[in-house]
Amino acid sequence: DQQVKQNSPSLSVQEGRISILNCDYTNSMFDYFLWYKKYPAEGPTFLISISSIKDKNEDGRFTVFLNKSAKHLSLHIVPSQPGDSAVYFCAASAVLNAGGTSYGKLTFGQGTILTVHP
Amino acid sequence: DTGVSQDPRHKITKRGQNVTFRCDPISEHNRLYWYRQTLGQGPEFLTYFQNEAQLEKSRLLSDRFSAERPKGSFSTLEIQRTEQGDSAMYLCASRRDGFFEQYFGPGTRLTVT
Repeated sequence: DQQVKQNSPSLSVQEGRISILNCDYTNSMFDYFLWYKKYPAEGPTFLISISSIKDKNEDGRFTVFLNKSAKHLSLHIVPSQPGDSAVYFCAASAVLNAGGTSYGKLTFGQGTILTVHP
Repeated sequence: DTGVSQDPRHKITKRGQNVTFRCDPISEHNRLYWYRQTLGQGPEFLTYFQNEAQLEKSRLLSDRFSAERPKGSFSTLEIQRTEQGDSAMYLCASRRDGFFEQYFGPGTRLTVT
């Protein structure tokens, strides 16, 4: 079962415009969410995260929004730059697992390929 | 640079051979994870270490897979009797206590022929 879903395999945006990447999750135990960026032949690079006690977190050009009731989060990149072209992964973690301990493993979506055109 | 490192970066092996990968986490990170990524998918969790203790294993980790972190520092992942379905990118990540952000290494690309 796919507990974290990124339904858009790809997104194409013009330089300077906003990029919006979406992510949905099904597991209500998830309470910490992260976005990673990945270039070919490299490991994922951490971008930004958000705890379930917040609905927004901002870091420079990157903003993550969380809608807990809809089990939906999104990453906004403003303004988009050609160097932002990469695969973006949404990931989720449960601070506490069913046993009451915290292991923090990440469950990833399938990724969205972002292309920013000059 | 004190990021997560992995060795080798690429490994080509014949079916049936054993392979071993190494991961060196960020030095102050006591929590270490292994993931596997196949084409078109996100990374999938394999196993987790807190210091030297292996506390969680995914059902993806068959009996042919074994992982160790003998002194709570570097970790190794061994695959015995490799199969073509083992071809994937193997990623290592680490984090510190109290933080949920994991930092990934560059990965080891395994190709089983």
